[in-house]
Amino acid sequence: AQSVTQLDSHVSVSEGTPVLLRCNYSSSYSPSLFWYVQHPNKGLQLLLKYTSAATLVKGINGFEAEFKKSETSFHLTKPSAHMSDAAEYFCVVSLRTGANNLFFGTGTRLTVIP
Amino acid sequence: NAGVTQTPKFRVLKTGQSMTLLCAQDMNHEYMYWYRQDPGMGLRLIHYSVGEGTTAKGEVPDGYNVSRLKKQNFLLGLESAAPSQTSVYFCASRPSGGTEAFFGQGTRLTVV
Repeated sequence: AQSVTQLDSHVSVSEGTPVLLRCNYSSSYSPSLFWYVQHPNKGLQLLLKYTSAATLVKGINGFEAEFKKSETSFHLTKPSAHMSDAAEYFCVVSLRTGANNLFFGTGTRLTVIP
Repeated sequence: NAGVTQTPKFRVLKTGQSMTLLCAQDMNHEYMYWYRQDPGMGLRLIHYSVGEGTTAKGEVPDGYNVSRLKKQNFLLGLESAAPSQTSVYFCASRPSGGTEAFFGQGTRLTVV
């Protein structure tokens, strides 16, 4: 069975401090993993993806995530938060075969305090 | 470079009314999906399609119907809207050999 757990529903950080959004997954297969960002009243935008190449993945806007198979984790980080990072973030697991194979976390809302 | 386009972006319905949401993609993707997003629940799959003329139920299909008469279009219908269907609806598409999904901008539907 496949599932995605985002460990925090809400994270609040001060501008200029590091961001850590946590994601754990379970999968019977070797998955692809994604982080999407959703700004208020907008659609989902791909931040970064892991598809079995380098385990440290760099995305847009200074975000990166590390795939740790032993910990079944794919945490999203950024060294220094910006006000424009305030949004909802979704961790997504995708199996490599089949059509009905996208599994979403419940989302983490990031608040950035000036 | 349109990608995935949803129409309309906003809609208010009265209970019992019907409507159709249109999703169009110009990337020649085989797979298309309809999701609903509710606070604290992430995205839940309503229906999906693996190709023209095919549809399948997802996690929360009740109260919705879909059709895929053309490869580029995926329609989501509400025959008799209920307040519980107030939500934000997202369409997505994906190539059959790929893993990344591409999302539309969403449709905010309110049923009063």
